[in-house]
Amino acid sequence: QSALTQPASVSGSLGQSITISCTGTSSDVGGYNYVAWYQQHPGKVPKLLISDVTIRPSGVPDRFSGSKSGNTASLTISGLQAEDEADYYCSSHTSSSTYVFGIGTKVTVL
Amino acid sequence: EVQLVESGGGLVRPGESLTLSCGGSGFSFSGAWMNWVRQAPGKGLEWVGVIRSKISGGTTYYATAVKGRFTISRDDSTNTVFLRMNGLKAEDTAVYYCTTERSGALPNWGQGTLVTVSS
Repeated sequence: QSALTQPASVSGSLGQSITISCTGTSSDVGGYNYVAWYQQHPGKVPKLLISDVTIRPSGVPDRFSGSKSGNTASLTISGLQAEDEADYYCSSHTSSSTYVFGIGTKVTVL
Repeated sequence: EVQLVESGGGLVRPGESLTLSCGGSGFSFSGAWMNWVRQAPGKGLEWVGVIRSKISGGTTYYATAVKGRFTISRDDSTNTVFLRMNGLKAEDTAVYYCTTERSGALPNWGQGTLVTVSS
C-alpha cells in the first residue's frame, strides 16, 4: 500500500496555471475513477476539492479542475491566487477496498 | 450542517491502548461510511480505515500499518464511530481525523484529536 507519487513542490506566479500530478498503479489510480484531491492550509483541516476525478463539490472555485490519464491523475489550478498557497493531496480507492493518499505537494505562489 | 467531533486523544506509553470517538450530526449517520485518517506532525495524510454502513454490511478495512492493532466500530444509536487502538507505537503519534465518505472521497472532516505515544 505505497503512497501515491506527487511532486514535493510546485510554484507559480499570480494568475498563472499550474498542474500537480499524482501517479499510482493500475490497482488504484488507473483502475478506478475514485480519485480525489484535497487542499490543506497550515494548521487547518483538509478540504475536499475534487471527487470522482473531475467533480467539484459545491463552493469550490472553477479554477480547480481534475483529470486522469492511465495511472496518473492531475489537478490543475488556473489563475493562481495567493490563497491557493497550501498543501495538496490526491487520494484513490484501491483494489483492496482501501484508500491511499499521495505524499502531498506544497504549492507556492510567487 | 454536517458536524464531526473527535475526542479521546492524549498521551499514552508505547504498547498501551486508546479509544477515540467521533460523534456525527447533520447527516444520516446510519447510512454513512465513516473513515479515519491520521497526520503525523509535519507529515502528510495517511488513511487509517473505514467502516461501511450496516446496510452495506458494516464491513471494515484497514491500512496495512494498523491492521491487526486498530479496530473501527460504530454505534448508530448514538451517531458515534470509534477507533480502538491497541499496541500503540511511537509512529502512531498523529492527529486523528474522522471523516464521512461519498463516492470514494472524504467530504466532511472533524477538527481532529491528537494522539501522542511516548515513554
